[in-house]
Amino acid sequence: IQMTQTPSSLSASLGDRVIITCRAGQARPSINSYLNWYQQKPGKAPRLLIFATSSLESGVPSRFRGGASGTDFTLTIDSLQFEDFATYYCHQSYSVPFTFGQGTKVELK
Amino acid sequence: QVHVVESGGGLVKPGESLRLSCAASGFLFSDFHMNWFRQAPGKRPEWLSYISDDGGHSDYADSVQGRFSVSRDNDKNILYLQMKSLTVDDTAVYYCARGGMTTLTRGRCDSWGQGTLVSVS
Repeated sequence: IQMTQTPSSLSASLGDRVIITCRAGQARPSINSYLNWYQQKPGKAPRLLIFATSSLESGVPSRFRGGASGTDFTLTIDSLQFEDFATYYCHQSYSVPFTFGQGTKVELK
Repeated sequence: QVHVVESGGGLVKPGESLRLSCAASGFLFSDFHMNWFRQAPGKRPEWLSYISDDGGHSDYADSVQGRFSVSRDNDKNILYLQMKSLTVDDTAVYYCARGGMTTLTRGRCDSWGQGTLVSVS
C-alpha cells in the first residue's frame, strides 16, 4: 500500500498549529485501525505517537492529534513546541509490506 | 521498562553474511510479535520482516525475501535476523521493534531499539 505524505517539509514557529496529511493507496475505512504516526529525531529511532488513526500512545503529549478527513489521514500538532521539531512519518500496518510515507520535516521558521 | 537492544552490525563486503540480534527485556517477550526495519541515510524507514509471537509465522519484504531470515528464541528473549548475500543497497541502520500482542496489531511498533549500523562495501 503506497502512502503519500504532504508536505515533505514545512517551516513553523513556536506555538503554531501544524497539519500533516497522508493519503493511502487503499480505501481509508479499511485501514483506519492500522494507520500510525511516528516522530523521528536525527540519530534516533522512530517513536510511535498515534495508532489506529486517532489513539494517542501512552506518554505522548495531548497536543498531538490524529484524525481523518475524506480520503486523507491527518496529524495535527497544536501549539508547536521546541521539542517537536523533527521528521514525522505516517505508516500503515494493515498489510505486509508495512509501508511508510516519505516523511515531513518540521523545521523552525 | 521495555527495552530492545540490537547488536551485530558492522562492515562487511558484498556477498558476505551477518547475523543481527535483538535482546528484549522489561516485557513478556513470548507474548509479542516482533519486527525488523532498516533506514538508509536520508530515507524513510523500510519494514523488512515480521515474526509471530511463537515464531510460527513470518513475512518478508520483497527486497530481502530469500536472503534474510528472521527467528526468535523465546527462552532467551532474543530476536535474530540472519542476512546473507549482502549488497551495497543493504547499507543502513537496522532496528528491531516490538509489535502488538495480536495478529491485527503485529505491525504497530511501540518500542524500538537504538539501531545497529550495517555497512556493505
